[in-house]
Amino acid sequence: EDKVVQSPLSLVVHEGDTVTLNCSYEVTNFRSLLWYKQEKKAPTFLFMLTSSGIEKKSGRLSSILDKKELFSILNITATQTGDSAIYLCAYSNYGGSQGNLIFGKGTKLSVKP
Amino acid sequence: DTEVTQTPKHLVMGMTNKKSLKCEQHMGHRAMYWYKQKAKKPPELMFVYSYEKLSINESVPSRFSPECPNSSLLNLHLHALQPEDSALYLCASSRGIGVGTDTQYFGPGTRLTVL
Repeated sequence: EDKVVQSPLSLVVHEGDTVTLNCSYEVTNFRSLLWYKQEKKAPTFLFMLTSSGIEKKSGRLSSILDKKELFSILNITATQTGDSAIYLCAYSNYGGSQGNLIFGKGTKLSVKP
Repeated sequence: DTEVTQTPKHLVMGMTNKKSLKCEQHMGHRAMYWYKQKAKKPPELMFVYSYEKLSINESVPSRFSPECPNSSLLNLHLHALQPEDSALYLCASSRGIGVGTDTQYFGPGTRLTVL
């Protein structure tokens, strides 16, 4: 059965810290891996990764995919209280369920002042 | 612009009521999605529409009835819901469902409470 596992499930840090969130997956017909940030309401798109070893970067956030070891990491440097959220990792695959995003359970990040 | 809008923001309904959730996007996206999210859980896919045709129905009970009147609109009709259907209902859209087009953008959601 396809699955995606995120770790840690929750994390508490102080402003200015750097954090690394992990996402490992076991899927058939892997196509892409996506990261979302969810605060009170809708998930907000962060990154889509399809190729191994190519870092995607947006401000203090960056992410990379390792298709050989089947994992991705999301890095946040110089964390701020506004980074507090649940970070969701999801994959999409080829095949009968095209269009389906399978989400991990998320990592709840709390950034304290 | 990556905006997906949903109405209403909140909805409280009884088990005998009929109501509808609405979703709209003007990004020219041809795939639209309904997700259900319970508290402290990740979103779970309910339906996928591609080019206004239903392409995936993830074994959702018939008390949920989706409708895609045109490429910009997606509705979810609700009838005879149960209290356990209370959740955040998220709409999303993407350019397509092929490689490079399937990044999904989510709306703010409708918080549904069934009494």
